[in-house]
Amino acid sequence: AQSVTQLDSQVPVFEEAPVELRCNYSSSVSVYLFWYVQYPNQGLQLLLKYLSGSTLVESINGFEAEFNKSQTSFHLRKPSVHISDTAEYFCAVSHSTYNTDKLIFGTGTRLQVFP
Amino acid sequence: GAVVSQHPSWVICKSGTSVKIECRSLDFQATTMFWYRQFPKQSLMLMATSNEGSKATYEQGVEKDKFLINHASLTLSTLTVTSAHPEDSSFYICSAQGVYNEQFFGPGTRLTVL
Repeated sequence: AQSVTQLDSQVPVFEEAPVELRCNYSSSVSVYLFWYVQYPNQGLQLLLKYLSGSTLVESINGFEAEFNKSQTSFHLRKPSVHISDTAEYFCAVSHSTYNTDKLIFGTGTRLQVFP
Repeated sequence: GAVVSQHPSWVICKSGTSVKIECRSLDFQATTMFWYRQFPKQSLMLMATSNEGSKATYEQGVEKDKFLINHASLTLSTLTVTSAHPEDSSFYICSAQGVYNEQFFGPGTRLTVL
């Protein structure tokens, strides 16, 4: 069975500081990995995804995540955060070859950016 | 592209009544849609997988007679909460599956049962 662990439930950070949101997964098979962002009172939005190829994936708003197979991690990073990045961030995994429909979500990390 | 809408965005109903929530993929066709439930400050819990033209597949512990799902077309899935009670109050989110298994989420529907 697959599982996702987001070690930090909350991450407070000052504006323009770097941030890393940690995500570790457990799976005995190949997986696809995703980061979703949820702004207050809104649905989830896909931030970035890893399917195959380059282990470093980037989003259009400056976030990046690196797939590390040996450490079974997919940490999300941004070198300089903005107030507008304040949101809930969810890491998710799905199987890459069968039962690919199901996304398993982590419990989420609340990123709070202070001025 | 890949926009998913939900209607209504917010609904309040009396205990014992039924509520229907619509999920639409606006610019693509989705043979598979998903329904999630999210409690405050918690992650999403998958309730069921909705497949166009066939019966939905429910996750363990989800009552299929209480949460009726219909996926009548490639762009529309509906979730009906039957005989709603206060404990059914939650944020219900749908998603539609894309080509590479990514899911595109709707904005959610907040249900409050009085």
